[in-house]
Amino acid sequence: KNEVEQSPQNLTAQEGEFITINCSYSVGISALHWLQQHPGGGIVSLFMLSSGKKKHGRLIATINIQEKHSSLHITASHPRDSAVYICAVRSGTGNQFYFGTGTSLTVIP
Amino acid sequence: NAGVMQNPRHLVRRRGQEARLRCSPMKGHSHVYWYRQLPEEGLKFMVYLQKENIIDESGMPKERFSAEFPKEGPSILRIQQVVRGDSAAYFCASSPSHNQPQHFGDGTRLSIL
Repeated sequence: KNEVEQSPQNLTAQEGEFITINCSYSVGISALHWLQQHPGGGIVSLFMLSSGKKKHGRLIATINIQEKHSSLHITASHPRDSAVYICAVRSGTGNQFYFGTGTSLTVIP
Repeated sequence: NAGVMQNPRHLVRRRGQEARLRCSPMKGHSHVYWYRQLPEEGLKFMVYLQKENIIDESGMPKERFSAEFPKEGPSILRIQQVVRGDSAAYFCASSPSHNQPQHFGDGTRLSIL
């Protein structure tokens, strides 16, 4: 079993829809990251969370430490949001990073 | 302020050759991380370095792989005697400290013939 599980694996949405991507983890963590990887392969760090909620533009990330769960929300989705979204956690006991396998999002105009 | 610079973007090697991947962190960043993304797989942590020191190399294969981050110059990920299974995208990220967000480079795509 992977330390980090994401759902769904693939997601297709109509432009304007509200999107939620979920991440569950099984290890103690010091921080959780949401990353975005575009078709060209480049990776952008969207959020780093250790508690609560963060918002950046149309993106919102939340984390529940007790439930070991995080969600990434995209409001008013747009075709340019099409990418793979990756959840990653940093171990609370060391320097290891564990990655989910990613959620591939396609937003249709 | 330039981002994390990785070069080359693409590298082709024959089996048995050496591959050297370079990563110049963002200005002011002294923490460097290397990750590998195998085809159709997720990212895997390889090694975490801070200037001149390897902090954690638990994700690095024990043989043929090495990493350094010298006092001057870029961080280098070195793969000796490459094999087909080394074909992957190798990403570098940097941060000012371990508790701050990482900035990623565009990766080096390594292909082994």
